Amino acid sequence: AQKVTQAQTEISVVEKEDVTLDCVYETRDTTYYLFWYKQPPSGELVFLIRRNSFDEQNEISGRYSWNFQKSTSSFNFTITASQVVDSAVYFCALSDSGGGADGLTFGKGTHLIIQP
Amino acid sequence: GAGVSQTPSNKVTEKGKYVELRCDPISGHTALYWYRQSLGQGPEFLIYFQGTGAADDSGLPNDRFFAVRPEGSVSTLKIQRTERGDSAVYLCASSLTSGNTGELFFGEGSRLTVL
Repeated sequence: AQKVTQAQTEISVVEKEDVTLDCVYETRDTTYYLFWYKQPPSGELVFLIRRNSFDEQNEISGRYSWNFQKSTSSFNFTITASQVVDSAVYFCALSDSGGGADGLTFGKGTHLIIQP
Repeated sequence: GAGVSQTPSNKVTEKGKYVELRCDPISGHTALYWYRQSLGQGPEFLIYFQGTGAADDSGLPNDRFFAVRPEGSVSTLKIQRTERGDSAVYLCASSLTSGNTGELFFGEGSRLTVL
């Protein structure tokens, strides 16, 4: 069975600080996909990134970066120089490409609060 | 608009009543998903449509829940004999590609409250 654990329920930092959101996943499949979504107060989940299990290269997009480590089954997300607009709930999610449900398995989310 | 549209945005009903929630996906998206999100939790998969057919309904919690997508576009999630435990935000998402390799575009959800 698939499982995604986001141990940090809530994180509060002051603007301009760097912050890392942790994600640990479990799957028996060798082919799978990992995602991060942002959920602002409006409620609409916004796609941030997708990574497949064969691509362990870290990725940077502006102030966002992702560290994928298969050895520790982790896919952590770092925001550099955080801004108030980054305040939201962030979800890590997992899917496989094989049998079973076609839906994503989400973690419980990390509520990120950026204080001015 | 160009995004996924869900109606109603809020629905309050009494226990035992019937409820319909509607999702209008992005034009041209063949894949459509329903998720349920309870307070403080991540979204939970309910059902996935590819075109008009339900490709995977393994997430539906019981037979009180049913969803249709008769013309391969708009979908309706139907809940019979609602219970207080059905209270949650019901999210719809669509995607250009099938399966789980593509980016999902989510609507803002329909918040259901069962009194």
